[in-house]
Amino acid sequence: DADVTQTPRNRITKTGKRIMLECSQTKGHDRMYWYRQDPGLGLRLIYYSFDVKDINKGEISDGYSVSRQAQAKFSLSLESAIPNQTALYFCATSPDPKGTQYFGPGTRLTVL
Amino acid sequence: GESVGLHLPTLSVQEGDNSIINCAYSNSASDYFIWYKQESGKGPQFIIDIRSNMDKRQGQRVTVLLNKTVKHLSLQIAATQPGDSAVYFCAGTYAGGTSYGKLTFGQGTILTVHP
Repeated sequence: DADVTQTPRNRITKTGKRIMLECSQTKGHDRMYWYRQDPGLGLRLIYYSFDVKDINKGEISDGYSVSRQAQAKFSLSLESAIPNQTALYFCATSPDPKGTQYFGPGTRLTVL
Repeated sequence: GESVGLHLPTLSVQEGDNSIINCAYSNSASDYFIWYKQESGKGPQFIIDIRSNMDKRQGQRVTVLLNKTVKHLSLQIAATQPGDSAVYFCAGTYAGGTSYGKLTFGQGTILTVHP
């Protein structure tokens, strides 16, 4: 969905490096989410934000941090990347807490 | 908490056949469900949703059925086409406590459509 963009689309990095993944949306949604996808495990929630001043941990937040710079921007950071953080990362937005979530194209992160 | 799972990890069908993908959930308080389609290299795309006050909802070539008694939902795709080949996820949420506003996803079913 072009309304939700993620950068970079692919990234290879080394163990111990700091990495930031960025998400931008033009949908005007207050709610934004970061997910991680691993083969056979579906999508797991890392962090979510219901508005600019609201940040909440998801089920797998250890090793990650986030920043909600504006309504339209939500970034995910890996302070010190490790190989088991190799995965696909998706950003999503939603207009309300019980509504559909709209996903970005994903970032493929490889930690060597 | 909520858990959402799928009965089969893979489904192969012939072009033109109808496809049925199943999903089970554990929390009887779950009140909103979504089916997503994910093609290779792309993010999940919304297909259809259903709220717990409904048993059935139809879209273009797709139908979602919800059976709250057995906590089961299914996605039916009519006249399946090669372009329907993808991974299909069900996701659910309920308005309870710390899970409010969060979707729980199943692992996905890989649908392969043979010409």
